[in-house]
Amino acid sequence: GESVGLHLPTLSVQEGDNSIINCAYSNSASDYFIWYKQESGKGPQFIIDIRSNMDKRQGQRVTVLLNKTVKHLSLQIAATQPGDSAVYFCAERWPGSYIPTFGRGTSLIVHP
Amino acid sequence: EAGVTQFPSHSVIEKGQTVTLRCDPISGHDNLYWYRRVMGKEIKFLLHFVKESKQDESGMPNNRFLAERTGGTYSTLKVQPAELEDSGVYFCASSQQGSGTEAFFGQGTRLTVV
Repeated sequence: GESVGLHLPTLSVQEGDNSIINCAYSNSASDYFIWYKQESGKGPQFIIDIRSNMDKRQGQRVTVLLNKTVKHLSLQIAATQPGDSAVYFCAERWPGSYIPTFGRGTSLIVHP
Repeated sequence: EAGVTQFPSHSVIEKGQTVTLRCDPISGHDNLYWYRRVMGKEIKFLLHFVKESKQDESGMPNNRFLAERTGGTYSTLKVQPAELEDSGVYFCASSQQGSGTEAFFGQGTRLTVV
């Protein structure tokens, strides 16, 4: 079946740098996308979402970009901090579905 | 407001035994989901309840897995008999009515079958 995938399983950055985590999704009909952060011993935590009628959405230090032409999603984290170290998952939702479909996850490691 | 809570946080059982995981969703959330993450892989959907009804159980791996949601409140996920490949982290999430709402996740139950 169709699935969401990630380009890089691990991303290492220096504190203060900007981070970019990428995600490729397969279902061109998906109309809602979410980024989750999972810290060790915790469940996935919602970071930011974007609907398919948008191509960019900004939050606090985070920006999500959606390129529907190539079915690509990215999460940009500005001024990355050690507390940002976690596994990041992108997820998509199909039209009319309540259910997020997750990808494999990218581990972000922030070096002080 | 209390979040989604799961019990136990860890469970180690022998192959062939039975384990029951519990999830208490956020009060008032009609939607409840179970997911599983096996080491290094994606978080896989198992099933979705709307109140006490199973809306979608297409992700349940086999008939050794049984999920219930009594009275539309808490939910249990029973694995009987457990196999080695059932090891992983089981997450529960809940959301309010409506497809455009955020799903909140519990901390997960780490199941190890030895």
